[in-house]
Amino acid sequence: GAGVSQSPSNKVTEKGKDVELRCDPISGHTALYWYRQSLGQGLEFLIYFQGNSAPDKSGLPSDRFSAERTGGSVSTLTIQRTQQEDSAVYLCASSSRPGPSYNEQFFGPGTRLTVL
Amino acid sequence: GNSVTQMEGPVTLSEEAFLTINCTYTATGYPSLFWYVQYPGEGLQLLLKATKADDKGSNKGFEATYRKETTSFHLEKGSVQVSDSAVYFCALCISNFGNEKLTFGTGTRLTIIP
Repeated sequence: GAGVSQSPSNKVTEKGKDVELRCDPISGHTALYWYRQSLGQGLEFLIYFQGNSAPDKSGLPSDRFSAERTGGSVSTLTIQRTQQEDSAVYLCASSSRPGPSYNEQFFGPGTRLTVL
Repeated sequence: GNSVTQMEGPVTLSEEAFLTINCTYTATGYPSLFWYVQYPGEGLQLLLKATKADDKGSNKGFEATYRKETTSFHLEKGSVQVSDSAVYFCALCISNFGNEKLTFGTGTRLTIIP
């Protein structure tokens, strides 16, 4: 079946512009995660959505970052007034409903963001 | 807080060599432990996992044992192949019917030469 998809695969933008990154999780997966992979910080958690519950935004690095998940499926990560330090690969992952043991997260191919 | 420290790379080995990539962790609580792999041009994928002390995760000839006493989860393979060239990430999460966000190490780039 289809895996997690992300778009665009690459995005080049100018400093100060806003960008939107999209994630389509695996159908039926209720949990969705955003991570960021950068040279300076490695792979770090950004935000988590589970069903209709309030998201865990504890990993968002600043208030320029926001995310939403519409209809419990597609998610959009928005970065306002981009800075050069926002350049990174943004990864989305989804997993099935939480249970007593770990539910494997399936990762998308990522969006490579370059801020000039 | 939670953190993962793994062996810095890059690591270069000859085909059929023995591989060890060290990983240690710090966690508040009782984590599950993972190795993820990122092959060239591909997305991150789960290689193996262990959810409690003394569990051994294994896949594709790779193994790692959850050692609570040393807070370690070292990745090993007895005979590596060129196709194992990739970036390997050690990770942990605290699983509790909810947010299973992963905390990753910095990654170790492995190159196997024929």
